[in-house]
Amino acid sequence: EAQVTQNPRYLITVTGKKLTVTCSQNMNHEYMSWYRQDPGLGLRQIYYSMNVEVTDKGDVPEGYKVSRKEKRNFPLILESPSPNQTSLYFCASSLSGSDGYTFGSGTRLTVV
Amino acid sequence: RKEVEQDPGPFNVPEGATVAFNCTYSNSASQSFFWYRQDCRKEPKLLMSVYSSGNEDGRFTAQLNRASQYISLLIRDSKLSDSATYLCVVNIGGNQFYFGTGTSLTVIP
Repeated sequence: EAQVTQNPRYLITVTGKKLTVTCSQNMNHEYMSWYRQDPGLGLRQIYYSMNVEVTDKGDVPEGYKVSRKEKRNFPLILESPSPNQTSLYFCASSLSGSDGYTFGSGTRLTVV
Repeated sequence: RKEVEQDPGPFNVPEGATVAFNCTYSNSASQSFFWYRQDCRKEPKLLMSVYSSGNEDGRFTAQLNRASQYISLLIRDSKLSDSATYLCVVNIGGNQFYFGTGTSLTVIP
């Protein structure tokens, strides 16, 4: 089944403790992105990648890192999480910009 | 100014009603347009792409007006299962997609 898989689904952590949210897609998509969704603000792009080893900042990249060492994987790294990074995170992939995104099931992160 | 703006609603309509959502975008160079559906606490799912000539998929019709920079979604004969949040999405090129904050629809029996 074609899908985007992200883990974990739920995570509660403490301020400053490094964490990684994994994302993997099995559709051979070139484009991958990370979004966060907050009430009243909608989905905002954190980072995106248009190919292996090519990543770019989105609208809200501060406090996040990504890597794209393989086409299928695009992990999101929070080196020192803070409470304002409490949010619902989505990974998404696309074959090209014209065909829209397929989203993972989301990761609900709480930083205390 | 936001890249994409849409009326948050909520829209509460009876079963069988026709409902329309509008969305405006600010970047005249926007290239691709989509409507997504998002159920509570779930991931957004592509409902339909929006083409310049307008397009229809069953009870759903999408329209694009490039001159006025807005897109619309029309749902006919609303079903209870149509209750969700509808997201307007614009791609300005490459991997840059901008999402509206969504319009909430509740279809009432």
